[in-house]
Amino acid sequence: GAVVSQHPSRVICKSGTSVKIECRSLDFQATTMFWYRQFPKKSLMLMATSNEGSKATYEQGVEKDKFLINHASLTLSTLTVTSAHPEDSSFYICSASPQAFNYGYTFGSGTRLTVV
Amino acid sequence: GENVEQHPSTLSVQEGDSAVIKCTYSDSASNYFPWYKQELGKGPQLIIDIRSNVGEKKDQRIAVTLNKTAKHFSLHITETQPEDSAVYFCAAASGYSTLTFGKGTMLLVSP
Repeated sequence: GAVVSQHPSRVICKSGTSVKIECRSLDFQATTMFWYRQFPKKSLMLMATSNEGSKATYEQGVEKDKFLINHASLTLSTLTVTSAHPEDSSFYICSASPQAFNYGYTFGSGTRLTVV
Repeated sequence: GENVEQHPSTLSVQEGDSAVIKCTYSDSASNYFPWYKQELGKGPQLIIDIRSNVGEKKDQRIAVTLNKTAKHFSLHITETQPEDSAVYFCAAASGYSTLTFGKGTMLLVSP
């Protein structure tokens, strides 16, 4: 089946630094990937849609300059949290689909970001 | 936009019992309804999905039913086991829209 790999699984960084999270589709090509944020005991909140070779589409209220998304190849999308602050601490999850746009989404294992 | 309501928020059952989680959606154009299981500290795992041209789908102990007229769909887990304990999310999407998730149901299966 379709596998999405996400790294790192956990990261702790100091306030003011930047952190990069990688999302890879291991056995399929994904022209579109999605980035979600999840707070404890809450549902998934879509942050942005990552499109290979073009700019990401951000959801309302998500700061483009803080959450930089790059989708340079059909198998890799990255999310960089810039100038991280404690309020950016969260669980970040990516997803992708090997099929048509809205079918068979597979999620990565998530990244727990803690900003101290 | 789409709005997905999910109930109950928590569900406790005894091992071997059945569990039912229900979701309603607002956008009649939605045509794809997946269910995800999320264990603590992990990403969601797709367990079953259904499309609007199907009323019911079953995979071993898991089944999903869809009522397009009423705009609701349900997840049924039979013969529950402790390893079924997790948070379950329903979602809905249409055409080229992104998934809209319900708020989740924490299922606890007691031995």
